[in-house]
Amino acid sequence: EAQVTQNPRYLITVTGKKLTVTCSQNMNHEYMSWYRQDPGLGLRQIYYSMNVEVTDKGDVPEGYKVSRKEKRNFPLILESPSPNQTSLYFCASSEGVSYGYTFGSGTRLTVV
Amino acid sequence: AQSVTQLDSHVSVSEGTPVLLRCNYSSSYSPSLFWYVQHPNKGLQLLLKYTSAATLVKGINGFEAEFKKSETSFHLTKPSAHMSDAAEYFCVVSVSTQGSYIPTFGRGTSLIVHP
Repeated sequence: EAQVTQNPRYLITVTGKKLTVTCSQNMNHEYMSWYRQDPGLGLRQIYYSMNVEVTDKGDVPEGYKVSRKEKRNFPLILESPSPNQTSLYFCASSEGVSYGYTFGSGTRLTVV
Repeated sequence: AQSVTQLDSHVSVSEGTPVLLRCNYSSSYSPSLFWYVQHPNKGLQLLLKYTSAATLVKGINGFEAEFKKSETSFHLTKPSAHMSDAAEYFCVVSVSTQGSYIPTFGRGTSLIVHP
């Protein structure tokens, strides 16, 4: 089944403790992206990647890192999480601009 | 630059009545346009897309959208609402410029369906 898999689904952590949210897709898509979703703000793009070793900032990149060492994986790294990063995070992949996204099921992160 | 405006944050309908969710966009280039649906505690699912072919686009679950370039609109419709349609709906505009691909999401419209 074609899918984007994110882990974990739920995560509660403390301020400053480094964490990684994994994302993997099995569709051989070149394009991958991370979004955060907050009430009243919709979805905002954090980082995106056009292909292996090619990443770029989205609208809200501060406090996040990404890497794209393999085509299928695009982890999101929070080096020193803060409470304002409490949010619902989605990973997505796409063949390109005309194809639309396939989204993961989301990761609900709480930073205390 | 591109932007998308969903004109209603909430739409309330009765089961069996028509649904209209409004979306206006702006784009300097020929856009691709999408509608996504998000059910509670779920990820986003692609409903339908417009990519410069037919202006009336049919999607899943009986939804349709019409691309109107003169009005810069891409409104989502369904003839008869079902309880299972209650969800959040997002309109998205996307263009490809200089090899970059950055979709822009609307803020969403919450569809409420009354029995």
